[in-house]
Amino acid sequence: ELKVEQNPLFLSMQEEKNYTIYCNYSTTSDRLYWYRQDPGKSLESLFVLLSNGAVKQEGRLMASLDTKARLSTLHITAAVHDLSATYFCAAPPGGSQGNLIFGKGTKLSVKP
Amino acid sequence: DVKVTQSSRYLVKRTGEKVFLECVQDMDHENMFWYRQDPGLGLRLIYFSYDVKMKEKGDIPEGYSVSREKKERFSLILESASTNQTSMYLCASSLVGRGYTFGSGTRLTVV
Repeated sequence: ELKVEQNPLFLSMQEEKNYTIYCNYSTTSDRLYWYRQDPGKSLESLFVLLSNGAVKQEGRLMASLDTKARLSTLHITAAVHDLSATYFCAAPPGGSQGNLIFGKGTKLSVKP
Repeated sequence: DVKVTQSSRYLVKRTGEKVFLECVQDMDHENMFWYRQDPGLGLRLIYFSYDVKMKEKGDIPEGYSVSREKKERFSLILESASTNQTSMYLCASSLVGRGYTFGSGTRLTVV
């Protein structure tokens, strides 16, 4: 059974600092997704990582995937307040029809 | 722009009522999903459907049922609402093997 674990679950950062959110998954999965959720709102897609070594970047966020280590990272560069949100990673269990298993989310708070 | 529409943003229902949550997508996606989101528990899959009239139980199906009579619509039914079903309900859809598009969510309160 696939389990997806994120850490940290809470992250308080100062603006302009760098940090990394980690997403570990327990069984083989061929892709990994990152989502963002603002308070009181739904989830929006950030990145889809489809193969080992995949790297995607948008603005101050960069996501990578290491399928051998079963690890994805979401790196934040020079954080700004607008990045404050909860970030979820998700992976499909092997042989799934399309459902995803989500991590518990990392609540990021960027303070001046 | 692709859309997943949930019929209500906020609902208040009484214990024992039968509750219908509706979700409609306009992207011709095969897969549709219902999750509930609770603080500290993350997103938990209730049911999903990969085709019309097909349904699969997720991790927490007890107390819920679903209906998918048309490809674009996936309904979640609470047969007899209870206070422990107070939660944020999220609908999502996807093509096979692709990521999700989420609806805006329905915050249900059962009193």
